[in-house]
Amino acid sequence: SQQGEEDPQALSIQEGENATMNCSYKTSINNLQWYRQNSGRGLVHLILIRSNEREKHSGRLRVTLDTSKKSSSLLITASRAADTASYFCATDAGNQFYFGTGTSLTVIP
Amino acid sequence: GAVVSQHPSRVICKSGTSVKIECRSLDFQATTMFWYRQFPKQSLMLMATSNEGSKATYEQGVEKDKFLINHASLTLSTLTVTSAHPEDSSFYICSASGQADSYEQYFGPGTRLTVT
Repeated sequence: SQQGEEDPQALSIQEGENATMNCSYKTSINNLQWYRQNSGRGLVHLILIRSNEREKHSGRLRVTLDTSKKSSSLLITASRAADTASYFCATDAGNQFYFGTGTSLTVIP
Repeated sequence: GAVVSQHPSRVICKSGTSVKIECRSLDFQATTMFWYRQFPKQSLMLMATSNEGSKATYEQGVEKDKFLINHASLTLSTLTVTSAHPEDSSFYICSASGQADSYEQYFGPGTRLTVT
């Protein structure tokens, strides 16, 4: 099975609220990446965090990585209706690249 | 889950030659296929979106004359790297989706291209 598992599977929030998605994985990694996918479209890279990093920011995005717990979280602050999409984490273990099952985020205007 | 295959899994070619990579959906009809490339320790980059029977839509910065994409059937898309150069060496991954308005996307195992 894929290494990355995300929760929740689906999340629905009001515009302006924060959205938090979590990703867990099983083995050691070089880095972890978060992607966004709009319906019917390809994946778009959001942010990459390396195994020796604990937190990273990009605009309204904040990613944390806890290698001891083998988990990562993606926080989207002040959400907008345009943030509605599926979000995937992906782990790069060197020889393999695994995607999680994704979290479907709906932001209600 | 749905199965997507890629062929070859690994290819080494000389500079100036062309390489074709196949992406097949084995147990479903893929109306849309996506092509990505990944440099070592970096993220996947979407190269193009391919819909069966129509021209591919390329992302900004991707040369369509260099990366030829053909999606002639509902189960097969091909990516041809023309006149390959060492900087084209990368990991190429395809994914397939069975519905135009769906989030579901199934990834192939990838093709490692090395251009010498």
